[in-house]
Amino acid sequence: KQEVTQIPAALSVPEGENLVLNCSFTDSAIYNLQWFRQDPGKGLTSLLLIQSSQREQTSGRLNASLDKSSGRSTLYIAASQPGDSATYLCAGPNQAGTALIFGKGTTLSVSS
Amino acid sequence: NAGVTQTPKFRVLKTGQSMTLLCAQDMNHEYMYWYRQDPGMGLRLIHYSVGEGTTAKGEVPDGYNVSRLKKQNFLLGLESAAPSQTSVYFCASSTRDSYGYTFGSGTRLTVV
Repeated sequence: KQEVTQIPAALSVPEGENLVLNCSFTDSAIYNLQWFRQDPGKGLTSLLLIQSSQREQTSGRLNASLDKSSGRSTLYIAASQPGDSATYLCAGPNQAGTALIFGKGTTLSVSS
Repeated sequence: NAGVTQTPKFRVLKTGQSMTLLCAQDMNHEYMYWYRQDPGMGLRLIHYSVGEGTTAKGEVPDGYNVSRLKKQNFLLGLESAAPSQTSVYFCASSTRDSYGYTFGSGTRLTVV
């Protein structure tokens, strides 16, 4: 059974800081790992998808890495901005590959 | 470009009442999902469908039923609402193998 864990649960940083969000998963046979963003009272928006054949994926100031052997993924945010304040969730496929299982998320607050 | 549309957005039910949440997607996605999101519990999979006429149980299916009579619609039913079903419900859709995950904006349900 796939289980996804995110650390830390919450993080507060000053604007401009680089930061790393962590995600671990139990089923290393995953074929992709995804990161989402959720703003308060809103739905989830897909940020990055890393295929199992890739080690990392980049979009603007965001970089996500995947290490299947250790069951870990990290989301690196460079030069954080107040607009980055949100909850970030990672997700991996269930064992049947038919749905995503989500971590509980890391709530990020960036102060100006 | 509607994506995934959920109706209603808010609802208050009395214990024992029934209701149906409607999800509609216009992206021709094969897979559709219902999740619930609760503080401290994260996003949990209720039921999902991998195609028209098919449904399957997720992590927390008890007390809910679903139907997918048309490819673009996925209905979530509560036959006899309980206070424990107070939550925010999200619908999502994707292509096969969980690519292109797109979420609706959510339904906030309160059972009193």
